Amino acid sequence: AQSVTQLGSHVSVSEGALVLLRCNYSSSVPPYLFWYVQYPNQGLQLLLKYTSAATLVKGINGFEAEFKKSETSFHLTKPSAHMSDAAEYFCAVSDHRNTGNQFYFGTGTSLTVIP
Amino acid sequence: DGGITQSPKYLFRKEGQNVTLSCEQNLNHDAMYWYRQDPGQGLRLIYYSQIVNDFQKGDIAEGYSVSREKKESFPLTVTSAQKNPTAFYLCASSTGHNHGYTFGSGTRLTVV
Repeated sequence: AQSVTQLGSHVSVSEGALVLLRCNYSSSVPPYLFWYVQYPNQGLQLLLKYTSAATLVKGINGFEAEFKKSETSFHLTKPSAHMSDAAEYFCAVSDHRNTGNQFYFGTGTSLTVIP
Repeated sequence: DGGITQSPKYLFRKEGQNVTLSCEQNLNHDAMYWYRQDPGQGLRLIYYSQIVNDFQKGDIAEGYSVSREKKESFPLTVTSAQKNPTAFYLCASSTGHNHGYTFGSGTRLTVV
């Protein structure tokens, strides 16, 4: 079975500082990996996805993530945090072998940006 | 523009009442999903449907029911059997494993 672990339910960074949100997955085969962002009382919006092409994936709003098979990780980064980045972030994994439920989500990381 | 529409955005229910949450998509996606979100617990799958007239239970289906009579629509009914229904409910659709989900904007249900 697939699973996703997000280390750190709350992360605080200063405006302009590096953002690093951690995601590790368990999978016996190369998965598809996703990062989503959620603003208060809204749905989730896709930030970026890895689908076995380039291991460094660039997404919207200046975010990027690197797939590291050896570490089973897909950490999300942004060089310089902006106040508008404050939100909840979810990592998700898709098991392409599974014809039923397709996606598994982490429990989320709440990002606070300090002015 | 294509997307998913959830209605209403806020819903209040008295104990013992059934309520139905609407989810409509015009993305021509085959698969649709309902998730429940509670603080600190992430997203938990209630039901999903991969094709019209077929749906499967997720991890927390007890106290909920769904139907999929049309490709575009996947309504969720929260029944009186659901003991703790106050939560944020998210509907999503997908066209395949490598495309991810498209989410609606959610419905916040409160039992009063």
